[in-house]
Formats: sequence, C-alpha cells, structure tokens
Amino acid sequence: DQQVKQNSPSLSVQEGRISILNCDYTNSMFDYFLWYKKYPAEGPTFLISISSIKDKNEDGRFTVFLNKSAKHLSLHIVPSQPGDSAVYFCAATEKAAGTYKYIFGTGTRLKVLA
Amino acid sequence: GAVVSQHPSRVICKSGTSVKIECRSLDFQATTMFWYRQFPKKSLMLMATSNEGSKATYEQGVEKDKFLINHASLTLSTLTVTSAHPEDSSFYICSASRAGSNNEQFFGPGTRLTVL
Repeated sequence: DQQVKQNSPSLSVQEGRISILNCDYTNSMFDYFLWYKKYPAEGPTFLISISSIKDKNEDGRFTVFLNKSAKHLSLHIVPSQPGDSAVYFCAATEKAAGTYKYIFGTGTRLKVLA
Repeated sequence: GAVVSQHPSRVICKSGTSVKIECRSLDFQATTMFWYRQFPKKSLMLMATSNEGSKATYEQGVEKDKFLINHASLTLSTLTVTSAHPEDSSFYICSASRAGSNNEQFFGPGTRLTVL
C-alpha cells in the first residue's frame, strides 16, 4: 500500500519556465512533508518542507503548496534551470507521533531543457 | 554541518558472503539512524530505524537476521547483509537525525551493492 504517491514518473520543462511536481498521500495522520532532490548514485538532498498547519512555504525558487483536504502537495520551481534536472521525491511523516519515520513517494524525474 | 558519510560507496561480492556498510555522522551526534533501500527507478523503502544503544526496529517484511543493524555510538551505525544473494543487490542509503533537528533526516551518499 503506497501511502505517498507521485503519479508522474517524469516531467520535461523548458529552461526559465515553471516546473510543477505533484504528490498525493492517503494517511491523514501525516503532518509534515518534505521534498528531496536526488541525483543517480547519490543520497537525497533536502529542498524544502512544510508543516500541516501551513498551506504554503517558500524558499527562493522553490515553493511547496499543501492542500490538506485533498491530501495533495506540490513543489513549484520557478524559474527552472538545467541544474534542477534530477529525481524529486516527496516524503511524509507523523511528526506529532515522534516516530521520525519518512514515507517516500516513488519520485518524479525532472528534465529541464536548455 | 550535518554531514553523513557511508562506506564503502560501492561493493561487489560473491553470493553467500556477508557485507558490512558503515554510516557515520561526521559533525553531529545522531540520536536516530535510518536505513533505506532503493531499487532501480523505485522509491526509497525504509528498512529499519535504530537508536544508539538499543535494538533496531525493522519494517514489516524486512528480515532482521538477514540485515543486521548495529548502532554502537552516536556517530556510527552499521548494516551487515548476511549471506548475500543476487536479489540483495540494491542501493542502500542511510540517514541520521539529531535531537532538536525538527525531524529532519540527513542522508548519506549511498552504497551500491552488487552480489554476483
């Protein structure tokens, strides 16, 4: 049972345009969400996170939006750059439960075309 | 700060042998460490959670006798794949969390295991 899903396995975007990566979850107990970027044969690197008490968090070119009622979050990258090409994973956790366990989505491969 | 290293980065072994992978937090004390496994083009699957000085908590479906985890200090956790078989070939990634880090996990660079 995949509790965190990224339904688009890949996405191609022109340089300078907006990239929108989507993530859906099923567990209503998740209260903290994160986005990671991963290159092949490397560990994930943290990008941005959001608590369930917010609906938006922004950090430079990266903005994460959370729609709790729809159990949906998205990562916006604007403007997209060729260096953003990587696999992006969303992750969710029950922070209030103190478990520290992350459940990862299946990833979306972003390709930014120059 | 918050750097996590893994060693080795790549290992090839014969079927039936055991392989040990080390995960170290270089500049902080990791109260909790996690071990993940990633199959090609798949998600990172949590295998187990370990706290320093106590037994690891394994996820459902992960054989604890197959994947031995030791978290002997606040900066080192090891994963030993015992009697490795070709189906154990995978990318293994550790992460570490520190007290007061707002649940954030810091990931190592991963270890590519190939069992022949």
